[in-house]
Amino acid sequence: DAKTTQPPSMDCAEGRAANLPCNHSTISGNEYVYWYRQIHSQGPQYIIHGLKNNETNEMASLIITEDRKSSTLILPHATLRDTAVYYCIVRVVDYGQNFVFGPGTRLSVLP
Amino acid sequence: DAGVTQSPTHLIKTRGQQVTLRCSPISGHKSVSWYQQVLGQGPQFIFQYYEKEERGRGNFPDRFSARQFPNYSSELNVNALLLGDSALYLCASSLNSPLHFGNGTRLTVT
Repeated sequence: DAKTTQPPSMDCAEGRAANLPCNHSTISGNEYVYWYRQIHSQGPQYIIHGLKNNETNEMASLIITEDRKSSTLILPHATLRDTAVYYCIVRVVDYGQNFVFGPGTRLSVLP
Repeated sequence: DAGVTQSPTHLIKTRGQQVTLRCSPISGHKSVSWYQQVLGQGPQFIFQYYEKEERGRGNFPDRFSARQFPNYSSELNVNALLLGDSALYLCASSLNSPLHFGNGTRLTVT
């Protein structure tokens, strides 16, 4: 599976959009981009995933560049409850469950 | 709907002891996996089971073992506990993707 690079930490003002970048320059054509987040003392929570088209759900939007070498997770109106560690993972969609988590980005939403 | 449930939530053991952690997947999910998360790091893959068979194993010693039952629930066993086994142990289930995680068992080895 391709390796990802994320900034170790970011701050965002409450009510503003949080834009979390992820670089995955070695991504293969059949690998998807997944985003999870982990709030303190809880298990990772699935947010969104996509292949090459932009995706949106009730939690967030995922913007993938045309060359697929990077992506951005957007939380449109960050709240204090969005403070968490955000993980970007790339892997193929199969029945395997061996997701490779890096250190992620620690997002702090400030009042 | 109930998510992935794990028990116990917290556990304290002594070096050399053995521990069993339990996981119930989301209803209808036939695949479960186990992850270890040491403080300050991302989760690390230990095992995957599908239809009671091991489908994947991470880089963990043989002291770690697991099994899956006919109802798709799973147990993770760790023998001869070391201080370094202190961690949050996470269980996840899925139909295909993505993974859905429980809130884990916090194991402290003293």
